[in-house]
Amino acid sequence: QKEVEQNSGPLSVPEGAIASLNCTYSDRVSQSFFWYRQYSGKSPELIMSIYSNGDKEDGRFTAQLNKASQYVSLLIRDSQPSDSATYLCAVNKYRDDKIIFGKGTRLHILP
Amino acid sequence: EAQVTQNPRYLITVTGKKLTVTCSQNMNHEYMSWYRQDPGLGLRQIYYSMNVEVTDKGDVPEGYKVSRKEKRNFPLILESPSPNQTSLYFCASSLLGRGTGELFFGEGSRLTVL
Repeated sequence: QKEVEQNSGPLSVPEGAIASLNCTYSDRVSQSFFWYRQYSGKSPELIMSIYSNGDKEDGRFTAQLNKASQYVSLLIRDSQPSDSATYLCAVNKYRDDKIIFGKGTRLHILP
Repeated sequence: EAQVTQNPRYLITVTGKKLTVTCSQNMNHEYMSWYRQDPGLGLRQIYYSMNVEVTDKGDVPEGYKVSRKEKRNFPLILESPSPNQTSLYFCASSLLGRGTGELFFGEGSRLTVL
């Protein structure tokens, strides 16, 4: 089982709808979880961090964490064409401080 | 302006010719890391450092060396590059602690080894 898994996509969502991105991780001791956005040809940029079970909202973005199910998700409300990008899930393994990334999900917002 | 600066941004070299990719950050971050990004394989961690003179292997360290003599700099050294090291390389930094994964990335260095 890969350490951090994401559907590669592409995920196509109509403009104005909710985009839902999912991530699972294998190491139960992981404590910190992150979502990055990467536009084509650019470097990743952090959009959300989540450390506790439940939801965390920031503007149009909501991160959800369920440690029992080893599952992290990112919801993007009122999707805009500018949200079209690859979204990377990352996990911090406290045991060794490695930051492990999933392969990313390509999101395409349809105008 | 807070930033992570990598140089060179683009490089074409030949097999076996030693090269160094520099990385510098101006945010006083303890944690620094190198990643390579390849199609279909995602971002993979090469080496990371939690402080001066402290470095650790990531998931793909073979063929690379690093050093951390100063807090702000974390160069990536390819002693004898090979074609399978052709990739897009990112340096990143963050504060240590719960937010270690809140990484600031450099703009990337695209390396081609012929």
